[in-house]
Amino acid sequence: ETGVTQSPTHLIKTRGQQVTLRCSSQSGHNTVSWYQQALGQGPQFIFQYYREEENGRGNFPPRFSGLQFPNYSSELNVNALELDDSALYLCASSSPAKGAYGYTFGSGTRLTVV
Amino acid sequence: ELKVEQNPLFLSMQEGKNYTIYCNYSTTSDRLYWYRQDPGKSLESLFVLLSNGAVKQEGRLMASLDTKARLSTLHITAAVHDLSATYFCAVDGYGGSQGNLIFGKGTKLSVKP
Repeated sequence: ETGVTQSPTHLIKTRGQQVTLRCSSQSGHNTVSWYQQALGQGPQFIFQYYREEENGRGNFPPRFSGLQFPNYSSELNVNALELDDSALYLCASSSPAKGAYGYTFGSGTRLTVV
Repeated sequence: ELKVEQNPLFLSMQEGKNYTIYCNYSTTSDRLYWYRQDPGKSLESLFVLLSNGAVKQEGRLMASLDTKARLSTLHITAAVHDLSATYFCAVDGYGGSQGNLIFGKGTKLSVKP
């Protein structure tokens, strides 16, 4: 059974650029959520996808957008990057039985905006 | 607004000592999660507490949930250096949306010889 994988692991972008982060969910999991974790803080919920539809969104501007594909993998896109977007981006997958097993997090993508 | 508060935020312990981390949340929730994070790493699931009075133990860590008091505790028994990490509690957000976890700010634990 594979876990949640994210790519790339590290990324450096310039302010104003656009970035795409990728996540492959754990086998059998059809829900993917994305989180932003600034240094020294807890993760903040960005949005989640269920069956290719956005199914909940946190307090993030529209320049944060996403996709989920038929194989349940997902992308996070951020346009017009700002310095404050520098953070660890985590995706988590879950199944309808999530209550018992919680969420499986990927290893994250460290984004640095300069 | 749903809030999750942990205390203490920083904890320095000696090996062999016991201590408790507290997690308070501001609205009803039947589910509470504890995660461990090592520096620069992802989140490792420790416990999922599903009901009032739930108690789970794994090694030197024991977690409990009191939904009436909106309080969870993570108790550390006879701490060892390997437990040094940041510990987060989290609850499901409003509407029961899957994956919408609200995290506390974390407790950074340092266990010294």
